[in-house]
Amino acid sequence: EAQVTQNPRYLITVTGKKLTVTCSQNMNHEYMSWYRQDPGLGLRQIYYSMNVEVTDKGDVPEGYKVSRKEKRNFPLILESPSPNQTSLYFCASSFGTGGEQYFGPGTRLTVT
Amino acid sequence: TQLLEQSPQFLSIQEGENLTVYCNSSSVFSSLQWYRQEPGEGPVLLVTVVTGGEVKKLKRLTFQFGDARKDSSLHITAAQPGDTGLYLCAGRPSGYALNFGKGTSLLVTP
Repeated sequence: EAQVTQNPRYLITVTGKKLTVTCSQNMNHEYMSWYRQDPGLGLRQIYYSMNVEVTDKGDVPEGYKVSRKEKRNFPLILESPSPNQTSLYFCASSFGTGGEQYFGPGTRLTVT
Repeated sequence: TQLLEQSPQFLSIQEGENLTVYCNSSSVFSSLQWYRQEPGEGPVLLVTVVTGGEVKKLKRLTFQFGDARKDSSLHITAAQPGDTGLYLCAGRPSGYALNFGKGTSLLVTP
């Protein structure tokens, strides 16, 4: 089954404790991206990747890191999480930049 | 930067009614996409419009891309409770970053 998987689905952590949210897709897509979704602000792109070892900032990259060492994986790293990073996070992938975005199920992160 | 403005923000209607939601921008887009998101899930693509003036139909849903490629609309005929969800438009004004509107939250009651 073609899908994008994210782990964990739910995470409660404390300020400053480094965490990684994993994202994996099995569709051989070149383009992958991370979004955060907040009430009243909608979906905002954090980072995206055009292919292996090629990443770029989206609209809200501050406080986040990403890496793309393999085509199928695109982890999101929060080196020192803060409460304002409490949000619902989505990973997505597509064949090209204009293609259909396939979204993962989301990761609900709470930073206390 | 939120380049895509969606209206209305919320819409509550009864089953059988028609409705239109709008996605507007001052920027030109090479294409626009419409997604629907249900609670607790990721967005799912409904349609991509590419050509200015294009009209696409998906059963009871009609999508239109403005002639100047700056705006789009989604019209639903005879809405059903299964149409309930958050409708999002998305596009790339330049470069490769994808920009989403804030969405229209639709509730259709029986």
